[in-house]
Amino acid sequence: DAGITQSPRHKVTETGTPVTLRCHQTENHRYMYWYRQDPGHGLRLIHYSYGVKDTDKGEVSDGYSVSRSKTEDFLLTLESATSSQTSVYFCAISSGTSGNTGELFFGEGSRLTVL
Amino acid sequence: AQSVAQPEDQVNVAEGNPLTVKCTYSVSGNPYLFWYVQYPNRGLQFLLKYITGDNLVKGSYGFEAEFNKSQTSFHLKKPSALVSDSALYFCAVRDTMNYGGSQGNLIFGKGTKLSVKP
Repeated sequence: DAGITQSPRHKVTETGTPVTLRCHQTENHRYMYWYRQDPGHGLRLIHYSYGVKDTDKGEVSDGYSVSRSKTEDFLLTLESATSSQTSVYFCAISSGTSGNTGELFFGEGSRLTVL
Repeated sequence: AQSVAQPEDQVNVAEGNPLTVKCTYSVSGNPYLFWYVQYPNRGLQFLLKYITGDNLVKGSYGFEAEFNKSQTSFHLKKPSALVSDSALYFCAVRDTMNYGGSQGNLIFGKGTKLSVKP
């Protein structure tokens, strides 16, 4: 299994509070992604990173920010959590090396409940 | 717009019977197609991919997928289903439009729940 660790795995918080989810990889992969999974929507890309301090928005980036100060860590922050952000969040990585065709390796997920 | 469709929310199969999970896609240019599986309370696991070449792609756990360019489909198949195959299956296509600084992000379908009964 790819070395991807997400923390926390479960979190319950209240509306309006800030939340940070962490993704840590030991694979030294260049690309890192944050997806959210919701019933009826599958997986939707929130933000991704293509290198240290290089990030970009995905399909559903409103209300989220990210940071990547080291190759191994990719943080997802909800500045002021809302109930619509209740979801399961997945981090994924990809090597992006020559010949790599884009398959992703996923973490185990972080279940966030916003009350 | 590039997209992936999985027309069935759920597929029910008896153990030992063949299974098919359907996927159709819409992309510009040549598609890079993927299948992932998700077991309960786990992350997604890569099953197989089509990039180029033989239209029948073999992957993990005895699964295979058939690429059909004329029908823009990439259906997942297995000759004989197992109860342990019960899971959520996702089809994905690589986004070749919004390249930017990325290698091409994956666009996922909504998933199909496969239930294999003994």
